[in-house]
Amino acid sequence: GQNIDQPTEMTATEGAIVQINCTYQTSGFNGLFWYQQHAGEAPTFLSYNVLDGLEEKGRFSSFLSRSKGYSYLLLKELQMKDSASYLCAVRDSNYQLIWGAGTKLIIKP
Amino acid sequence: TAGITQAPTSQILAAGRSMTLRCTQDMRHNAMYWYRQDLGLGLRLIHYSNTAGTTGKGEVPDGYSVSRANTDDFPLTLASAVPSQTSVYFCASSDGITGQETQYFGPGTRLLVL
Repeated sequence: GQNIDQPTEMTATEGAIVQINCTYQTSGFNGLFWYQQHAGEAPTFLSYNVLDGLEEKGRFSSFLSRSKGYSYLLLKELQMKDSASYLCAVRDSNYQLIWGAGTKLIIKP
Repeated sequence: TAGITQAPTSQILAAGRSMTLRCTQDMRHNAMYWYRQDLGLGLRLIHYSNTAGTTGKGEVPDGYSVSRANTDDFPLTLASAVPSQTSVYFCASSDGITGQETQYFGPGTRLLVL
């Protein structure tokens, strides 16, 4: 079966750095996405990786290793508004997105 | 402002009743999707449409039906609701399906089936 694993919850301090990991086992791979979802709201796109390596976008970076079935999202200079759930999703061989359950990130002052 | 709208925002429905969740996008995206989101689970695909006039089944299609008569609209129908269909339903769209095309989500419909 297809599986996306992420930690359920993480806590970090304002101004610090946090890394959210995602491991996947899917039938095929056609890209990995990270989305942010604030409580009660819709998911919004953060990043996309299809080749191995690091993609940097401001305070957020995403890394992919296809051979290890592994990705992480790195958030720097954490702000209170970064408190949200972070969803990892993999596009499989049918070009459908398989979603992890999400990691709830709690930021403390 | 371009985007996706969903209606209703929330609904309480008696078991056995039918209901249609509406979804409209004004971005002229080819592909549209319906997901349900339940606590502790990832988004699960119910049905999708890669282009107007075509639809396909996702991971959890039972009890749901869709149609795609035009590019903008993608309604989801529950023929006879059951309590296990209590969930938050998100509609999404994307310009394509094979590259970096992002899925854009509507605000969601919160459905409670009693």
